[in-house]
Amino acid sequence: ETGVTQSPTHLIKTRGQQVTLRCSSQSGHNTVSWYQQALGQGPQFIFQYYREEENGRGNFPPRFSGLQFPNYSSELNVNALELDDSALYLCASSLDSSYYGYTFGSGTRLTVV
Amino acid sequence: GNSVTQMEGPVTLSEEAFLTINCTYTATGYPSLFWYVQYPGEGLQLLLKATKADDKGSNKGFEATYRKETTSFHLEKGSVQVSDSAVYFCALSDPNDYKLSFGAGTTVTVRA
Repeated sequence: ETGVTQSPTHLIKTRGQQVTLRCSSQSGHNTVSWYQQALGQGPQFIFQYYREEENGRGNFPPRFSGLQFPNYSSELNVNALELDDSALYLCASSLDSSYYGYTFGSGTRLTVV
Repeated sequence: GNSVTQMEGPVTLSEEAFLTINCTYTATGYPSLFWYVQYPGEGLQLLLKATKADDKGSNKGFEATYRKETTSFHLEKGSVQVSDSAVYFCALSDPNDYKLSFGAGTTVTVRA
């Protein structure tokens, strides 16, 4: 197993800018989800991709978007960054569904100034 | 909708003490239940899971039993070590849903 890897580990952006976060899923996992974890809180579901199609979305505005690629990598894009977007962004992968649990990456710490 | 409530922290213990973190849930279906652990500066690691009522998940000395009648999944460890210091998250996954719902997390600090 290769695990889930995310890049970069840390990032500082200015309000109004755009950012792309990257994730490489565990080999064989066809489902990837992204979560936002604000400081001192539990992760909040952003969206999920299954076989390159978005199949679920949490309570996040359209400026949060994503892509999943055939090689199991994925991206989270955030446009028009706001100060409240500062958080740890976690990528998680699984095979087919979340019923048996996800494998999480170490996350990208985004700071918006 | 689905939700998870876990006991608030922080919890501070001495080494070899007994640890319990309470977790209760609300779900519309028959969820799977999980405990994840987050060490400082790291992502989430799956600690244990249970997919049906009365199942007991266990790993690294931690245990939790899926109690459908009380909608609970309390985490226990009989003798904690300093290395168990971390934030613990209870979570559920409903088979009719596509996401994990997390509790707010409980910070545990174990002192030597």
